[in-house]
Amino acid sequence: AQTVTQSQPEMSVQEAETVTLSCTYDTSESDYYLFWYKQPPSRQMILVIRQEAYKQQNATENRFSVNFQKAAKSFSLKISDSQLGDAAMYFCAYRSANGGSNYKLTFGKGTLLTVNP
Amino acid sequence: GAGVSQSPSNKVTEKGKDVELRCDPISGHTALYWYRQRLGQGLEFLIYFQGNSAPDKSGLPSDRFSAERTGESVSTLTIQRTQQEDSAVYLCASSLGSGVGYGYTFGSGTRLTVV
Repeated sequence: AQTVTQSQPEMSVQEAETVTLSCTYDTSESDYYLFWYKQPPSRQMILVIRQEAYKQQNATENRFSVNFQKAAKSFSLKISDSQLGDAAMYFCAYRSANGGSNYKLTFGKGTLLTVNP
Repeated sequence: GAGVSQSPSNKVTEKGKDVELRCDPISGHTALYWYRQRLGQGLEFLIYFQGNSAPDKSGLPSDRFSAERTGESVSTLTIQRTQQEDSAVYLCASSLGSGVGYGYTFGSGTRLTVV
């Protein structure tokens, strides 16, 4: 079974600064997808960024980018120019690309990000 | 609808009572999922529907938990004889299909408190 570990329960950053959230995972599969989701107080999970394991290039979405290290099974999220609206819980998630259970997301426990003005 | 709608938003119930949580997925989304989020924890998979069938119920924690989906639309998660450990946020998500190319859209969840 796959597991996802987020070792930072809480992080804080000053507005306009850069912060990196860590995520490691364990899998025996070679083809999978990794995600970062944001959960604001509204509780709705919002997709921030997605990485396909077979792609070596790191995904980027505006101020959000990832550092995907497949051999190390590491998938960190970098938020640049942090804004007050970035404050939320961030979850790392894994999804198999194999047909058997590729509908299911496996989540880490989350990192609570605080942005200080 | 425009998004995934869940009701009620919050529910407080007494230990031992039954509760029903409702999820209205996006119209046309054939796949529907329930997850549980306990305080300080990540989301745990409960059940997956494809149409009205549930090919994977492996995450349901006990036989007190059941779910159904009708008309390839609304789903109801029922918890019988609630216990304090059932207190959590229950999140529903839907997607156009179940393949990995189809992304999830989540609702805002139901926060269940068992007192």
